[in-house]
Amino acid sequence: EPEVTQTPSHQVTQMGQEVILRCVPISNHLYFYWYRQILGQKVEFLVSFYNNEISEKSEIFDDQFSVERPDGSNFTLKIRSTKLEDSAMYFCASSDRVENIQYFGAGTRLSVL
Amino acid sequence: AQSVTQPDIHITVSEGASLELRCNYSYGATPYLFWYVQSPGQGLQLLLKYFSGDTLVQGIKGFEAEFKRSQSSFNLRKPSVHWSDAAEYFCAVAPGGGSQGNLIFGKGTKLSVKP
Repeated sequence: EPEVTQTPSHQVTQMGQEVILRCVPISNHLYFYWYRQILGQKVEFLVSFYNNEISEKSEIFDDQFSVERPDGSNFTLKIRSTKLEDSAMYFCASSDRVENIQYFGAGTRLSVL
Repeated sequence: AQSVTQPDIHITVSEGASLELRCNYSYGATPYLFWYVQSPGQGLQLLLKYFSGDTLVQGIKGFEAEFKRSQSSFNLRKPSVHWSDAAEYFCAVAPGGGSQGNLIFGKGTKLSVKP
């Protein structure tokens, strides 16, 4: 069964550093998403991406965050200057239609020290 | 504001017992409704979904859920729990009938299974 792949599984970084979280969505999917889950809290929507542009973003997704689809397979989330409060599990998801099921990756645990 | 409430943070049931996990949503129209499960170290796996039609939906692993519009609820049930069902369960809503892509999640219910 096709799956969403995220790398790395765990990323440790120093406060103020830039990080890039990588995702390989399911190959025929057109809609891509990032969510995050701070420890002990709910999964929160960050951003959705379609046709090479952001289609929606939450108030969490400020200027420190950016997304990119640099080639036909990868979908990345960049945090420009990490803060302690960015420590969380980040999930990538993809779907073939906006109203269809979102398939999630296993997540990247980001630890900001 | 749109929200999803899972009132039970942690539930423990005996293996073989029945299970019901509660989910309530706050949204004007009928949204798309989902239950996801997350095992340790794994991603979110879809158990079942409700878009329209029959209010009792069947999912994988023997789970089912019933949409009750009058109660704004979408509770997850399983008649007989297996030890492998121990995981965290998330209810999620896609507002706007799915035309708006983002999912809104509840805080999750952690299920422990006693032998």
